[in-house]
Amino acid sequence: TQLLEQSPQFLSIQEGENLTVYCNSSSVFSSLQWYRQEPGEGPVLLVTVVTGGEVKKLKRLTFQFGDARKDSSLHITAAQPGDTGLYLCAGDGGDTGNQFYFGTGTSLTVIP
Amino acid sequence: KAGVTQTPRYLIKTRGQQVTLSCSPISGHRSVSWYQQTPGQGLQFLFEYFSETQRNKGNFPGRFSGRQFSNSRSEMNVSTLELGDSALYLCASSFDLNTEAFFGQGTRLTVV
Repeated sequence: TQLLEQSPQFLSIQEGENLTVYCNSSSVFSSLQWYRQEPGEGPVLLVTVVTGGEVKKLKRLTFQFGDARKDSSLHITAAQPGDTGLYLCAGDGGDTGNQFYFGTGTSLTVIP
Repeated sequence: KAGVTQTPRYLIKTRGQQVTLSCSPISGHRSVSWYQQTPGQGLQFLFEYFSETQRNKGNFPGRFSGRQFSNSRSEMNVSTLELGDSALYLCASSFDLNTEAFFGQGTRLTVV
């Protein structure tokens, strides 16, 4: 089992603050995806990182893939209430199929 | 381009009954995966189908089954429902192997 652990599990911050969410594993992934999910809805893909050390920016969100492709981080600058949601990382183990291993999730609340 | 469509969105069933959930992937996508999401366990992989063949299967009892049709649409079936089967069931579609997964809105199943 390729376990992905996210930290923190819960995060409540004021609007305008910065935050970082971590996704760690002892397994190597060929790619890693970040999703945001709102209550009662399916996860929405934010980004995919595939190269060790890769950094991708999506407006105020910065994603980094670890050099060894075992971990990743998501940094949000100047958080806004619209960033509220459950953030999930998912690793593609590179199996023969499309089985993604999901992290435990980080529930973010941004208070106006 | 239409996204992943899951039907129905909500379902209430009684213990012991069976249920069938449907998923229409994004046009052109051949891989369909199913996940169960619960507050305690997070997102857990059920199975994945590619070109009508089950390619991967998660650690779920035989009461959970699925199939994929020639048009890539997929169904999953749960027989002899238990209270613990109450969850959000999510379908994800991918174009091919090791490509990004896009999720539907899910089917909220409640077993009473």
